[in-house]
Amino acid sequence: GAGVSQSPSNKVTEKGKDVELRCDPISGHTALYWYRQSLGQGLEFLIYFQGNSAPDKSGLPSDRFSAERTGGSVSTLTIQRTQQEDSAVYLCASSFTGAMVGTQYFGPGTRLLVL
Amino acid sequence: QQPVQSPQAVILREGEDAVINCSSSKALYSVHWYRQKHGEAPVFLMILLKGGEQKGHEKISASFNEKKQQSSLYLTASQLSYSGTYFCGTEGAGGTSYGKLTFGQGTILTVHP
Repeated sequence: GAGVSQSPSNKVTEKGKDVELRCDPISGHTALYWYRQSLGQGLEFLIYFQGNSAPDKSGLPSDRFSAERTGGSVSTLTIQRTQQEDSAVYLCASSFTGAMVGTQYFGPGTRLLVL
Repeated sequence: QQPVQSPQAVILREGEDAVINCSSSKALYSVHWYRQKHGEAPVFLMILLKGGEQKGHEKISASFNEKKQQSSLYLTASQLSYSGTYFCGTEGAGGTSYGKLTFGQGTILTVHP
């Protein structure tokens, strides 16, 4: 079956603009995760969803970041008034899981560049 | 808190062995290991659960010491394909720690012919 897909694959935007990043998880996966990876750095947790609920939003860097998930499937990460420090690769992962974390399958990521 | 990985980088020749360590300051429920090649997404290697046994996959295995909140990844007789950045992800035991992974900063492994 299809893996996790993300769109766009690359996004170049101007400082101050809003951007939306999309994630399509593997069908049937209940958990969905967003991470940010800056150049040469590790994976920074942003938010995760269990179904359509987000039990933990503690990783969102500021109130300019928000995310939603509808129908227990597609998720959108929105960054408002982008700043240059938002430039990074944004990775989405999904997992078939209950209360504990199962195997996470990562998408190819969206490379965001804020000029 | 982010787990600490060591070493930060390691260089090997084909056939040599390596150990990558992951240490946390809090009680853990599980430890996950992923490998990421340059320009690609991380790929799952294995999960170690609290109370579980040492896991293995071909020449890559791992252990989890719950009392010390540490995990180690063992790469035996390394191959060129093992090159990449290895991340451990930890799931804390209790409260809001369940359900999410906190990743270490990564260990860059380079295998030369």
